[in-house]
Amino acid sequence: DVVMTQSPLSLPVTLGQPASISCRSNQSLVHSDGNTYLNWFQQRPGQSPRRLIYKVSNRGSGVPDRISGSGSGTDFTLKISRVESEDVGVFYCMQGTHWPLTFGGGTKVEI
Amino acid sequence: EVQLVESGGGLVQPGGSLRLSCAASGFTFNKYWMHWVRQGPGKGLVWVSLINSNESSSPSYADSVRGRFTISRDNAKNTVYLQMTRLRPEDTGVYYCVRNNYGPESWGQGTLVSVSS
Repeated sequence: DVVMTQSPLSLPVTLGQPASISCRSNQSLVHSDGNTYLNWFQQRPGQSPRRLIYKVSNRGSGVPDRISGSGSGTDFTLKISRVESEDVGVFYCMQGTHWPLTFGGGTKVEI
Repeated sequence: EVQLVESGGGLVQPGGSLRLSCAASGFTFNKYWMHWVRQGPGKGLVWVSLINSNESSSPSYADSVRGRFTISRDNAKNTVYLQMTRLRPEDTGVYYCVRNNYGPESWGQGTLVSVSS
């Protein structure tokens, strides 16, 4: 199985300041169809996960443009340009290129 | 608005069975593949199973549930199911039904499964 490693495990942030989460895979996430199926999710306390980013850098419906995804191959990053109070929770990366689909262990963002 | 409502969770003894249901609305259900993803207590997300839009190909399963769980769907009822047998304590958690769109996209609120004697 593809192992997804996130860092840091915990991220204290300051309102209005930028934040960044890293996600690394132990093999390339480039699919044979040319796409890279790397997603990011946010799970706020007591809520279901919500998809933020798909295919590395595409924002999901309703996701503000201060949240962005980047990366390629095995190295990916989620960036928040200016942290807001709604950005608390646990963030997960997930790869959909190889079976089975696998998630990172999560990064807890706290203000 | 996409809505996914899971049901069928509960307390079951090890070795027992449960069938989870997920009722979908707000979109054309028969055009989307559907996942089940679970989350153990205080733990991260684990993908469980995926079924394609019209069951034209075999579903996919995580190794940990293959042979014990069966995913299915009824497009006439806009519902996806997860039949779980030979349940183990490590199957305990919240089970989410998730619509696929370039990966898991829209999530239900989840249903709690507890496997304990």
